[in-house]
Amino acid sequence: DTAVSQTPKYLVTQMGNDKSIKCEQNLGHDTMYWYKQDSKKFLKIMFSYNNKELIINETVPNRFSPKSPDKAHLNLHINSLELGDSAVYFCASSQRDRGRSPLHFGNGTRLTVT
Amino acid sequence: SQQGEEDPQALSIQEGENATMNCSYKTSINNLQWYRQNSGRGLVHLILIRSNEREKHSGRLRVTLDTSKKSSSLLITASRAADTASYFCATDEIQGAQKLVFGQGTRLTINP
Repeated sequence: DTAVSQTPKYLVTQMGNDKSIKCEQNLGHDTMYWYKQDSKKFLKIMFSYNNKELIINETVPNRFSPKSPDKAHLNLHINSLELGDSAVYFCASSQRDRGRSPLHFGNGTRLTVT
Repeated sequence: SQQGEEDPQALSIQEGENATMNCSYKTSINNLQWYRQNSGRGLVHLILIRSNEREKHSGRLRVTLDTSKKSSSLLITASRAADTASYFCATDEIQGAQKLVFGQGTRLTINP
């Protein structure tokens, strides 16, 4: 009964490949996010979706494309992977209509590009 | 750009002592939140303090907020080995969609 689940937990791939990370939440939240945590532990927002609509799109290369098939799922597809994409990617969710509510995070996907 | 900056970056104390971590930020905020991250895991929400609040308690946690100084502190009393983790402050800026801006975190080690 994990609240926010991401798959895979680890992803090792070569430069130039395309990969996807999946995220699902069973909290009934209406808003989902992707955050990137670099090797220095900085955590930076990438995207946010509310009821399947993109509401935040930070300065992220267009090789990154989020997709939200429904409000319980937010997947992240990355094309032409580069070494600098190596990081831990976190999915999170919140309930927007409760005001500025806390985020619930998944356990992360550690992406290593070689 | 990072908004919250935690201080210190690392803190090591003995079990039973109190741990204090500080966070500074730059813009006007709606609220400030503290999260804990255990090694290899996601962030877990600890406490949220709104911009019109000055202090908040939750169990062994005490958070203060000084909007005039744009700073917050997290105090963990009577620390335990299980409190070993990284602690992050996150600011929810006053305008626009909810977008938490995180600091780099404080790495807290509790020595038994």
